[in-house]
Amino acid sequence: EAQVTQNPRYLITVTGKKLTVTCSQNMNHEYMSWYRQDPGLGLRQIYYSMNVEVTDKGDVPEGYKVSRKEKRNFPLILESPSPNQTSLYFCASSLAVASTDTQYFGPGTRLTVL
Amino acid sequence: ELKVEQNPLFLSMQEGKNYTIYCNYSTTSDRLYWYRQDPGKSLESLFVLLSNGAVKQEGRLMASLDTKARLSTLHITAAVHDLSATYFCAVDPGGSGTYKYIFGTGTRLKVLA
Repeated sequence: EAQVTQNPRYLITVTGKKLTVTCSQNMNHEYMSWYRQDPGLGLRQIYYSMNVEVTDKGDVPEGYKVSRKEKRNFPLILESPSPNQTSLYFCASSLAVASTDTQYFGPGTRLTVL
Repeated sequence: ELKVEQNPLFLSMQEGKNYTIYCNYSTTSDRLYWYRQDPGKSLESLFVLLSNGAVKQEGRLMASLDTKARLSTLHITAAVHDLSATYFCAVDPGGSGTYKYIFGTGTRLKVLA
């Protein structure tokens, strides 16, 4: 089944404790992206990757890191999480840059930083 | 600043009625996307609109794009309860450029029986 998977789905952590949220897709998509969703703000793009080893900042990259060592995986790293990073996070992928394809979203990761 | 604005933000409507959700964007873009999100769920793609004048329909939903006015509409015909969800529009302002996506804040639709 074609899908985008994220782990963990729920995470409660404390300020400053490094964490990684994994994202994997099995559709051979080139483009992958991370978003955060907050009430009243819609979805805001954190980082995106157009292909392996190619990443770029979205609108809200502060406090986050990403890497794209393999085509299928695009982990989101919070080196020192803070309470303002409490949010619902979505990973998404699409076929290719300049593609007419839509994005396919993972199930989401609800993160709480205490 | 690139902005995508949706209105209304909240919409409560009776079954059987028609209504339109508007999506205005502030940057040049040839591509606009509509997504649906059910409560507690992920986003699901509804439409991809690729050019000026594009119109797409699926069931009771019809989306259109006017790139000159920088406006997309999502029209709901004879609403049913199953359409209750939050609807997002999103713009890819880069075309062959940045490939950043900008989402609207969403329209939360509630269809009352």
